[in-house]
Amino acid sequence: QVQLVQSGAEVKKPGASMKVSCKASGYTFSRYGITWVRQAPGQGLEWMGWISTNSESTNYAQKFQDRVTMTADTSTTTAYMELRNLRSDDTAVYYCARKGFGSSSQFDPWGQGTLVSVSS
Amino acid sequence: QSVLTQPPSASGTPGQRVSFSCSGSSSNIGSKTVSWYQQLPGAAPKLLIYGNNQRPSGVPDRFSGSKSGTSASLAISGLQSEDEAEYFCAAWDDGLNGPVFGGGTKLTVL
Repeated sequence: QVQLVQSGAEVKKPGASMKVSCKASGYTFSRYGITWVRQAPGQGLEWMGWISTNSESTNYAQKFQDRVTMTADTSTTTAYMELRNLRSDDTAVYYCARKGFGSSSQFDPWGQGTLVSVSS
Repeated sequence: QSVLTQPPSASGTPGQRVSFSCSGSSSNIGSKTVSWYQQLPGAAPKLLIYGNNQRPSGVPDRFSGSKSGTSASLAISGLQSEDEAEYFCAAWDDGLNGPVFGGGTKLTVL
């Protein structure tokens, strides 16, 4: 079945970097983009950006433009999201999801989420 | 502050029909299709409705979506205890060149 499996929880200090992986299986990886969404404790969903897995072109939300890098490795069907210069308000669960075609808000399925805690 | 506006909470009793609203603007709901997600406690969001009113395979037909102008609605008929979850709406926003989400509606089944 179509599945996205993410890397495990991380604890980081302010100013450090994080890198979350998202391993895809059950479909042709290069046919669909991967989007990244985060959810701070008790909060709603916040879109961070997405990557086209065949061209590796990216589209980042303006808020994260200067701190985020999304990559994709078609040989291992794994997408990655790196966020640099972490702050305490980056504490959140980070999700990857398979993106629908074009200007779509259709994300299915989602990974299980990766909790990243940022604290001194 | 979310771009799409949803009521923070809703409630209903088993068997009842409930509906939630999602309000946006011409740059998102007014010109793009709406998706709905269900997030059970401690779980990742799950796609419930896409293309305004389409259900992925496996989603019961108790769930239905609709859109009119710059607003959308999700309805659940025959409410069940396992429907207790948070529901998020989403739509692409041409101005932001990315998807935007509502703040979520937490459904309590009494």
